[in-house]
Amino acid sequence: QSALTQPASVSGSPGQSITISCTGTSSDVGNYNLVSWYQHHPGKAPKLMISEVSKRPSGLSNRFSGSKSGNTASLTISGLQTEDEADYYCCSYAGSGILLFGGGTKLTVL
Amino acid sequence: EVQLVQSGAEVRKPGDSLKISCKGSEYTFTSYWIGWVRQVPGRGLEWMGLIYPGDSDTRYSPSFQGQVTISADKSISTAYLQWSSLKASDTAMYFCARGSYNFWSDSYLDHWGQGTLVTVSS
Repeated sequence: QSALTQPASVSGSPGQSITISCTGTSSDVGNYNLVSWYQHHPGKAPKLMISEVSKRPSGLSNRFSGSKSGNTASLTISGLQTEDEADYYCCSYAGSGILLFGGGTKLTVL
Repeated sequence: EVQLVQSGAEVRKPGDSLKISCKGSEYTFTSYWIGWVRQVPGRGLEWMGLIYPGDSDTRYSPSFQGQVTISADKSISTAYLQWSSLKASDTAMYFCARGSYNFWSDSYLDHWGQGTLVTVSS
């Protein structure tokens, strides 16, 4: 299996909204509603932001939301804040005990 | 609070063996899968495999099958990732992560360790 495809970088200004796409195939993203998203500040442990396409962990800001259409999942961050600047990774179950990650997207808050 | 604490950074030579660890606390260690994820410098995350400490059921990504061994000692709530003969290309940050309680139904990683940097250089 190949890694899921994400844009290498996105940027936005404080208060704006951005969307990060994650494209897979009919064998992974398109076949399972098991897409998760992780925020990673370099040097720290990655953090779960979204599970099962659109579920937020308890206590996570509702500025973060997830969706999926066909073979593409998306993470939207609204009301951008400087602390949102990080790397974001999507992940999908691909069957047979395998998870596939995306290549990661660097979010810059201008 | 659930915690996964990983062992410290390692520097090894090509051909060396190595075992790094991930100790879980504040949850029932035997009831959750533990996965391992690699991050090569400047690259994204890669899924390596996972283990269920309750019965040591282990699954590997095809990319890592035969390259590493995942194990666990439930008596001390610790999972391991080991290499028998390191290569320079194994230089990376390695993260452990806890699988969700119903991992085969919802398949996400809800808590992560801080990472262990492995450097392989002659």
